[in-house]
Amino acid sequence: GAVVSQHPSRVICKSGTSVKIECRSLDFQATTMFWYRQFPKQSLMLMATSNEGSKATYEQGVEKDKFLINHASLTLSTLTVTSAHPEDSSFYICSASGGLFNEQFFGPGTRLTVL
Amino acid sequence: GNSVTQMEGPVTLSEEAFLTINCTYTATGYPSLFWYVQYPGEGLQLLLKATKADDKGSNKGFEATYRKETTSFHLEKGSVQVSDSAVYFCALERSSSNYQLIWGAGTKLIIKP
Repeated sequence: GAVVSQHPSRVICKSGTSVKIECRSLDFQATTMFWYRQFPKQSLMLMATSNEGSKATYEQGVEKDKFLINHASLTLSTLTVTSAHPEDSSFYICSASGGLFNEQFFGPGTRLTVL
Repeated sequence: GNSVTQMEGPVTLSEEAFLTINCTYTATGYPSLFWYVQYPGEGLQLLLKATKADDKGSNKGFEATYRKETTSFHLEKGSVQVSDSAVYFCALERSSSNYQLIWGAGTKLIIKP
């Protein structure tokens, strides 16, 4: 299967700062990338879907001005959590699909802790 | 709307026991169905999938059959191992155009030696 990486794997930041998380498809062109949030012992919550070169589509209840998503190339999408607060602390996961693959491939996730 | 319901965990079994994790869904049309697994400290991995009614997905000894009449996709394994301990997620494909998924809550499986 295809490989998706995320960076960083863990980040700790102060309240009020912004944090950028990168998601890369390493060996295929990802026409679509997804960003999820996973709370402890809970399922994945889809935050947004982004197609390369166009604006992301956000799920209901997700603030687009707080969670900025950029999908500028076929191998890279970024999620920026702006003015982070402790309630934004969570596990953020990206996935990608595209090319010859008709399924999503998941990154290992990023643990964000906001102090 | 589309939704997925999984049995609550954790499910605790002894090694070599038979495993069933129930998954039922509601959906318009006939979406593809998936089981994903998340091992401790790792990312989600596709375990198996089925794309149409009566299809059986299988991998690593796990099986699940797409049952349209009962809207179910139960995960089964005949003899579990300690290494199967993980969280299992059932999902359905909301959109075939970009592979968007709707997820169940996940079921934690604990296998004791």
